[in-house]
Amino acid sequence: GQNIDQPTEMTATEGAIVQINCTYQTSGFNGLFWYQQHAGEAPTFLSYNVLDGLEEKGRFSSFLSRSKGYSYLLLKELQMKDSASYLCAVRDYNQGGKLIFGQGTELSVKP
Amino acid sequence: GAVVSQHPSWVICKSGTSVKIECRSLDFQATTMFWYRQFPKQSLMLMATSNEGSKATYEQGVEKDKFLINHASLTLSTLTVTSAHPEDSSFYICSAGQGAEQPQHFGDGTRLSIL
Repeated sequence: GQNIDQPTEMTATEGAIVQINCTYQTSGFNGLFWYQQHAGEAPTFLSYNVLDGLEEKGRFSSFLSRSKGYSYLLLKELQMKDSASYLCAVRDYNQGGKLIFGQGTELSVKP
Repeated sequence: GAVVSQHPSWVICKSGTSVKIECRSLDFQATTMFWYRQFPKQSLMLMATSNEGSKATYEQGVEKDKFLINHASLTLSTLTVTSAHPEDSSFYICSAGQGAEQPQHFGDGTRLSIL
């Protein structure tokens, strides 16, 4: 089966850097995705890793280590609008390509 | 690119009513779409995989006769909640991708409230 773990909640200060970790176990890994979800809204796509290493997109970066079953999302120069839930999801080719989501990390950015 | 549209955004109706939710891929064709449900303070729960031209694949515990899915074209999937009851009140979200190797993009979601 699949198991995805990420912290339930985190707090950080405006302007700082925060790292949200995600560990996973899956039999047919085929990509790891990060989504941002503001309260009352649908998730929006942030980043995607299928190979080991770092993917950078502006203030957001995501890292993957397949051998360790580990990923992190790095948010730099935090802004108040970054307060949201961050969802880690793994795609498993043994499961028809569907995404398996973690419980999400609720990030609160404080002034 | 990869825009997914969902309609309606909000539905409030009486118990026993059937409600249809549409999910459209606006600028790409999607042979597969996914339907999720999300309760407050919880993560997304996959309900079913919608397959164009064939039957949907439902997750364990999801009643296929309760949640009817039709994927009649490469750009449209519909979810019908039949004889809805208050416990069906939730946030329903669809997603689609431009291919099996591409990220899934979500519609804006439909907030369903059954009185």
